[in-house]
Amino acid sequence: DAGITQSPRHKVTETGTPVTLRCHQTENHRYMYWYRQDPGHGLRLIHYSYGVKDTDKGEVSDGYSVSRSKTEDFLLTLESATSSQTSVYFCAISDEGEEIYTEAFFGQGTRLTVV
Amino acid sequence: DQQVKQNSPSLSVQEGRISILNCDYTNSMFDYFLWYKKYPAEGPTFLISISSIKDKNEDGRFTVFLNKSAKHLSLHIVPSQPGDSAVYFCAASYRGSTLGRLYFGRGTQLTVWP
Repeated sequence: DAGITQSPRHKVTETGTPVTLRCHQTENHRYMYWYRQDPGHGLRLIHYSYGVKDTDKGEVSDGYSVSRSKTEDFLLTLESATSSQTSVYFCAISDEGEEIYTEAFFGQGTRLTVV
Repeated sequence: DQQVKQNSPSLSVQEGRISILNCDYTNSMFDYFLWYKKYPAEGPTFLISISSIKDKNEDGRFTVFLNKSAKHLSLHIVPSQPGDSAVYFCAASYRGSTLGRLYFGRGTQLTVWP
């Protein structure tokens, strides 16, 4: 398994509070991603990073921010949590290799409940 | 707007028979396609992929077929086993997008019964 650790694995928080989820990788991969999974929606990209301090928005970025100060860590922050952000969050990593294309490897997920 | 579509939310198959999971896409720029399998409380795991220069890729019991003209791909599992019961996500990517940036379908829950 790819060395990806998400923390915490479970969290319950109150509406309006800030929350930070952490993704840590030991693979030295260049690209890191945050997805959320919701019933009926599959996996949707929130933000991604293509290098240290290089990040960009995905398709559902409103209400989220990210930071990547080191290759191995990618943080996702919910600035003011809302009930609509109750979801399972997955971090993923990928890298350049000999092939043009490569698959992404996923962490175990963080289940976040906003009450 | 969903660029990758899995129109069957669930599929039930008897053990030993073939499972066929379908996926359609709308973006003609997509040229790399993947299938992921996901068990409850775990992250998705990569299963098999195919690039647009091929129309078939096989790996053991798993075969992916790509029909570019129809913008359709399918995953065949033969023979199906109870351990294959999981949610299967179809995903797509294209040259020029961020490497590894994937567009996912909504998933199909496969149940293989004895």
